[in-house]
Amino acid sequence: GAVVSQHPSWVICKSGTSVKIECRSLDFQATTMFWYRQFPKQSLMLMATSNEGSKATYEQGVEKDKFLINHASLTLSTLTVTSAHPEDSSFYICSARWDAGQGPPGELFFGEGSRLTVL
Amino acid sequence: KQEVTQIPAALSVPEGENLVLNCSFTDSAIYNLQWFRQDPGKGLTSLLLIQSSQREQTSGRLNASLDKSSGRSTLYIAASQPGDSATYLCAVRPDSWGKLQFGAGTQVVVTP
Repeated sequence: GAVVSQHPSWVICKSGTSVKIECRSLDFQATTMFWYRQFPKQSLMLMATSNEGSKATYEQGVEKDKFLINHASLTLSTLTVTSAHPEDSSFYICSARWDAGQGPPGELFFGEGSRLTVL
Repeated sequence: KQEVTQIPAALSVPEGENLVLNCSFTDSAIYNLQWFRQDPGKGLTSLLLIQSSQREQTSGRLNASLDKSSGRSTLYIAASQPGDSATYLCAVRPDSWGKLQFGAGTQVVVTP
């Protein structure tokens, strides 16, 4: 159990276009999901906390108008990179925390990641 | 501000040797600590989760210890195998709802 699925696993797009990445918790409910960004040979940097039914909380320095997050249901959060540019090329990873009562508190489960390349 | 450090940044060992990976954190007020494995171009696989009240967790060949007072955790991998080659990340949580703070990781290569 506790599987998180991300789609697409990789995407190439032209500069100026928008790209949507989905994060789904397949077998548990997740009121809260997290979006991370990882540059080559660096660790994960938290971008934002996604909360079902409310606005996401963005980390300092992350442009909320550029990285739109929608957490429309208890099993799905989406990250849309708007007007993507080459500097947005990165590996994006989501994680989900299962809600109380579904398992040991505090554990996070991660998706496989989505590699975005902006030409 | 919490800072998480992993030493060494890279490690290469021959197959069969035991691996010792270190993680240190500056603020001992943590909720839990989690060790992950990341294969190149892939997401994270959770290996072990240690709650703040625990001293260690074990799973198969993996053993992780936690010393909150000194701000350290160690991941031991016994009898390493080439399949253990990956980057290992540790991360700490300040509370049950807080964000994970990651270390930069230790890249491990196990040679046959």
